[in-house]
Amino acid sequence: TQLLEQSPQFLSIQEGENLTVYCNSSSVFSSLQWYRQEPGEGPVLLVTVVTGGEVKKLKRLTFQFGDARKDSSLHITAAQPGDTGLYLCAGLNYGQNFVFGPGTRLSVLP
Amino acid sequence: NAGVMQNPRHLVRRRGQEARLRCSPVKGHSHVYWYRQLPEEGLKFMVYLQKENIIDESGMPKERFSAEFPKEGPSILRIQQVVRGDSAAYFCASSPSLGDIQYFGAGTRLSVL
Repeated sequence: TQLLEQSPQFLSIQEGENLTVYCNSSSVFSSLQWYRQEPGEGPVLLVTVVTGGEVKKLKRLTFQFGDARKDSSLHITAAQPGDTGLYLCAGLNYGQNFVFGPGTRLSVLP
Repeated sequence: NAGVMQNPRHLVRRRGQEARLRCSPVKGHSHVYWYRQLPEEGLKFMVYLQKENIIDESGMPKERFSAEFPKEGPSILRIQQVVRGDSAAYFCASSPSLGDIQYFGAGTRLSVL
């Protein structure tokens, strides 16, 4: 069974701070996606990374896919209260199924 | 949420009743996925369907749970004889093809009294 682990599980920071959250697995994925989920809503796709070593930037968010395609990180610069939410990573395995991590719950305090 | 519609948004059932959750995918998407989410947890895959076919139901309990995606109409996740442990948020996602980006609905929150 392929598993994705995410760390930290919870993170509470002040507005303006930087942070990095991690998504790790012992398995190789053909691609990996990051989602943000707000309370009472469904996950919303932020980015898909496909190539090992790939780095994608989305405004203040920087996503990196590990060289071996087993892990990924999400870095947020100058966090804002609007960044608060549950950040989920999901790996697409070669059987074409998505495996979700348990998520990192981020709280950005004003 | 890119057009995936789930209803109802909230559903309350008593133990032993049936729960029917509906999901209308993005127009033109023929792949539907159902996930369950417990409070403070991530998404657990339940079942993957294409039109009129169940492709992968490895995450769905063998008893009391069933899913369908008919040629016409929404996908239905049916839970018979609900128990308190079925209380959760159930999310549906759709994609245009296998392995493509999944678009999620807002979910149905099932509460079993």
